[in-house]
Amino acid sequence: DAKTTQPNSMESNEEEPVHLPCNHSTISGTDYIHWYRQLPSQGPEYVIHGLTSNVNNRMASLAIAEDRKSSTLILHRATLRDAAVYYCILKDRAGSYQLTFGKGTKLSVIP
Amino acid sequence: NAGVTQTPKFRILKIGQSMTLQCTQDMNHNYMYWYRQDPGMGLKLIYYSVGAGITDKGEVPNGYNVSRSTTEDFPLRLELAAPSQTSVYFCASGLGGYNEQFFGPGTRLTVL
Repeated sequence: DAKTTQPNSMESNEEEPVHLPCNHSTISGTDYIHWYRQLPSQGPEYVIHGLTSNVNNRMASLAIAEDRKSSTLILHRATLRDAAVYYCILKDRAGSYQLTFGKGTKLSVIP
Repeated sequence: NAGVTQTPKFRILKIGQSMTLQCTQDMNHNYMYWYRQDPGMGLKLIYYSVGAGITDKGEVPNGYNVSRSTTEDFPLRLELAAPSQTSVYFCASGLGGYNEQFFGPGTRLTVL
């Protein structure tokens, strides 16, 4: 699975939007872009995934660049519960079974 | 649905002891996984299974064994525990391929 690059940490004020970037310049045509988050002392939790088009669900939005070399996870209104480590992961549909976790971005939400 | 459950939540082992970490899922998923997470790091895959009776090694399998006799259960066995196995262990399940994985709450293991 191809590699991703994320900032180590970010801060956001509560109730403001958060844009978490991810670079994946070596992405292949069959790689899906997945986002998971891990709240303190919990297991990872699926957030969203996409291939080419922007995606929305109840938790977040995923904006994918036209060349697919980068993507942005958007939390529309950050809450204190959104403070977590966010992982951007590339996953080939038919490739290896594992999710390859990097160090992710630690998001702090300021009240 | 309980999702993915893991027992125990915490365990302290002495060097050389053995133990089994239990994992059960009630979502009828064929794919199950064991990961470990060392402090400040991302998760690494230990073993995975694509169905009952089928298991395979992940990135860091040394010192561990698994079995998959039913769809629901995927226990992880540690033989001859070593301090390097001090970690948090997460079990996950899913439909495979590009589909999401569902994670359990983890087992925090310390080997002294």
